[in-house]
Amino acid sequence: AQKITQTQPGMFVQEKEAVTLDCTYDTSDQSYGLFWYKQPSSGEMIFLIYQGSYDEQNATEGRYSLNFQKARKSANLVISASQLGDSAMYFCATFHSGGYNKLIFGAGTRLAVHP
Amino acid sequence: DAGVIQSPRHEVTEMGQEVTLRCKPISGHDYLFWYRQTMMRGLELLIYFNNNVPIDDSGMPEDRFSAKMPNASFSTLKIQPSEPRDSAVYFCASSPHRGRATDTQYFGPGTRLTVL
Repeated sequence: AQKITQTQPGMFVQEKEAVTLDCTYDTSDQSYGLFWYKQPSSGEMIFLIYQGSYDEQNATEGRYSLNFQKARKSANLVISASQLGDSAMYFCATFHSGGYNKLIFGAGTRLAVHP
Repeated sequence: DAGVIQSPRHEVTEMGQEVTLRCKPISGHDYLFWYRQTMMRGLELLIYFNNNVPIDDSGMPEDRFSAKMPNASFSTLKIQPSEPRDSAVYFCASSPHRGRATDTQYFGPGTRLTVL
């Protein structure tokens, strides 16, 4: 069965530095997608970035990029030039097996950006 | 563009009362999802609809939970009777249907439910 593992319950980073949030996945599907969401303290879930399994290049979206290593089944989120507003929970997710509807989420990583 | 809209944002009720949560998906999205988030279990999918039809309700915890989607722009999640263990944040999400791994789900702001 599909599984998402986020091994870092919490991370700290200094403002303006880069930080990498880890995500490993386990899937039997040949075609799959990986998503990262941000959940600030206000509670909403904000879509950040997507990586497709057949995408040859790592996805980038502004200060967010994905370090996608298919052979290692990892899709780490890299945030460059951290800002105080980046302090939040970050969730990695993928689809449940056999379809593109049911998302399964990791446990999340809480990121704290220090001034 | 308007995102997914949920109401109310906060709900406090007493055990045994009926609770109705509401959701308006993004216009043009064919799929609508209801999730629940708790500290113990994280984010769980409760039910999802395709073109207003419930497709998979295997995540609905008990018969006390029911969901409807009478039209493409409105869905409800009802809990009757509510219990303290139902306290959680309930999210609605929607996505377009292309049947591909790129079908991103966009979440509403959530409803924080507290059952006393």
